[in-house]
Amino acid sequence: AAGVIQSPRHLIKEKRETATLKCYPIPRHDTVYWYQQGPGQDPQFLISFYEKMQSDKGSIPDRFSAQQFSDYHSELNMSSLELGDSALYFCASSGRLRGYEKLFFGSGTQLSVL
Amino acid sequence: KNEVEQSPQNLTAQEGEFITINCSYSVGISALHWLQQHPGGGIVSLFMLSSGKKKHGRLIATINIQEKHSSLHITASHPRDSAVYICAVKGYGGSQGNLIFGKGTKLSVKP
Repeated sequence: AAGVIQSPRHLIKEKRETATLKCYPIPRHDTVYWYQQGPGQDPQFLISFYEKMQSDKGSIPDRFSAQQFSDYHSELNMSSLELGDSALYFCASSGRLRGYEKLFFGSGTQLSVL
Repeated sequence: KNEVEQSPQNLTAQEGEFITINCSYSVGISALHWLQQHPGGGIVSLFMLSSGKKKHGRLIATINIQEKHSSLHITASHPRDSAVYICAVKGYGGSQGNLIFGKGTKLSVKP
């Protein structure tokens, strides 16, 4: 069965650069959630989208933005990268078929800012 | 004090042992998730609970809303169960995925 796909798997950037992370939800899932997990930290909810509109916002820095496209994939854009942005970024998707009950997670993008 | 507390932080067990991981929370919730995270980051959703008990294979999850407590049990543990188990709660309002995560319990099952 198709799972949540994230790309790239690993990304190395330097300070002040920009990065774009991509998340492809399970087919027919219309909701995407983004999370950030720093080294040794518990995950933090960043932002979510439902039907291409932002549906909720968590602790997402102003330097970050995200959107959901017509094919329901989502991109997290990160600008002016800082050392503290180094983390595992993972996304999850959910859909109406399961009553949005279950979240399906991607394997994450490991971002290292040098 | 964290809104979601898990215990123990680390757990080592012998293959075949019965394992219990606990989660206590201090906020009102509409749902509680148990997640499994393997080395390398991949997360698998094990259960979503709003009341009672759920069972899937060797895994059992229970929740007591009045006591604000949930437990994850693993029967007949196996080395492949070695992972970090994370409790996460969904408060009232916000999207389904707007979760407050615990710090996880690192489980190691020895053969």
